[in-house]
Amino acid sequence: GENVEQHPSTLSVQEGDSAVIKCTYSDSASNYFPWYKQELGKRPQLIIDIRSNVGEKKDQRIAVTLNKTAKHFSLHITETQPEDSAVYFCAVTTSGSARQLTFGSGTQLTVLP
Amino acid sequence: DAGVIQSPRHEVTEMGQEVTLRCKPISGHNSLFWYRQTMMRGLELLIYFNNNVPIDDSGMPEDRFSAKMPNASFSTLKIQPSEPRDSAVYFCASSVGQLDTGELFFGEGSRLTVL
Repeated sequence: GENVEQHPSTLSVQEGDSAVIKCTYSDSASNYFPWYKQELGKRPQLIIDIRSNVGEKKDQRIAVTLNKTAKHFSLHITETQPEDSAVYFCAVTTSGSARQLTFGSGTQLTVLP
Repeated sequence: DAGVIQSPRHEVTEMGQEVTLRCKPISGHNSLFWYRQTMMRGLELLIYFNNNVPIDDSGMPEDRFSAKMPNASFSTLKIQPSEPRDSAVYFCASSVGQLDTGELFFGEGSRLTVL
């Protein structure tokens, strides 16, 4: 099955700095790569996604880059703010007829004021 | 739309008791997922329904767990008998269709504590 590794598990940055979270995956047929944000005690919510025909996607302060050859993708958050503090999960679809998301283990991001 | 609705939000029970978690997906969504979240194992997919039919239940831990989706607007996850290691947050999620075309919407979760 699909194997997704996410690094780092924890990340602390100063407010205004950038944060980068990386994920690698194993199934070369995977074609959809979303990122979810989960605030403490809340539900995971989609913040950005990228599909296999695109190398980079940006939405205001967040961006995702995809390298299909190397089978890795990254989340970039610029000008971090305290409200960015949360757990971030990458995810990958597995191949096959039943589309399922395999989630990474999560990154606890703390933005220090 | 109210989003994915789960109940109960919190459940505390004793080992050996039956637990039933409920989910109402977003109207019009034809895929429904049950996830379990723990610190140790992260987000794990338990079972996935498409058009009310279970497609893949390989994530269900053991026979003590069962899930049903009798109609497009309701699903249950049952644990019988419950054990302390079942303590976790259980999320229900729904999506419009194939996951490579749409977003996964999570409910608020049901926090289960088995004493």
